[in-house]
Amino acid sequence: EVQLVESGGVVVRPGGSLRLSCAASGFAFDDYTMHWVRQAPGKNLEWVSLIGWDGGNTYYADSVKGRFTISRDNSKSSLFLQMNSLRPEDTAFYYCAKDLNSLTIFGVPYQWGQGTLVTVSS
Amino acid sequence: DIQMTQSPSTLSASVGDRVTITCRASQSISDWLAWYQQKPGKAPKVLIYKTSTLDSGVPSRFSGSGSGTEFTLTISSLQPDDFATYYCHHYRGYSPTFGRGTKVEVK
Repeated sequence: EVQLVESGGVVVRPGGSLRLSCAASGFAFDDYTMHWVRQAPGKNLEWVSLIGWDGGNTYYADSVKGRFTISRDNSKSSLFLQMNSLRPEDTAFYYCAKDLNSLTIFGVPYQWGQGTLVTVSS
Repeated sequence: DIQMTQSPSTLSASVGDRVTITCRASQSISDWLAWYQQKPGKAPKVLIYKTSTLDSGVPSRFSGSGSGTEFTLTISSLQPDDFATYYCHHYRGYSPTFGRGTKVEVK
């Protein structure tokens, strides 16, 4: 059974940094593109970033480009999101998601974790 | 970037109703469109991908259609479990985009 467990969400001050983690199990992690998607409380979904199965391809939403960095450690089946220069508008639940198909870069975020809440506030 | 305009934002319906939700892309996205269902406090769940491919286990009352810039999600006969928020999602290209969601509520 696929399991994705996010962690690292806390309250942080504007301008601060945070690193989110996602522990994956139940599938061949190193065959799948992984995504981060966020959702401000009560608001709609926003795609944030993706990383290809071997870490060689990364893409970001314009709203986070230059501030967030996605990475992965295939030896530990783990996905990360380094978030710098945080703003109040970054406040959201952050979900990691596994792509639908293996060895595909731009695919469907298919199986999702339960999310971790990041709050940016002074 | 491609924008996805979803309508309506809220839809009031009764059990047994036929429900249609529309998603329009600002430029052609071929058939690279998915639909998600989300319930309060839960992660989204894929219903349909590649415009019309029903995910495994999704009831056949859900269907998707369209191509290019206009897409629809149809629920043929709304069931109590279907009251939720639905999102379209364009997933090909350098900046995947979600629609703003349609909340299906009890009339």
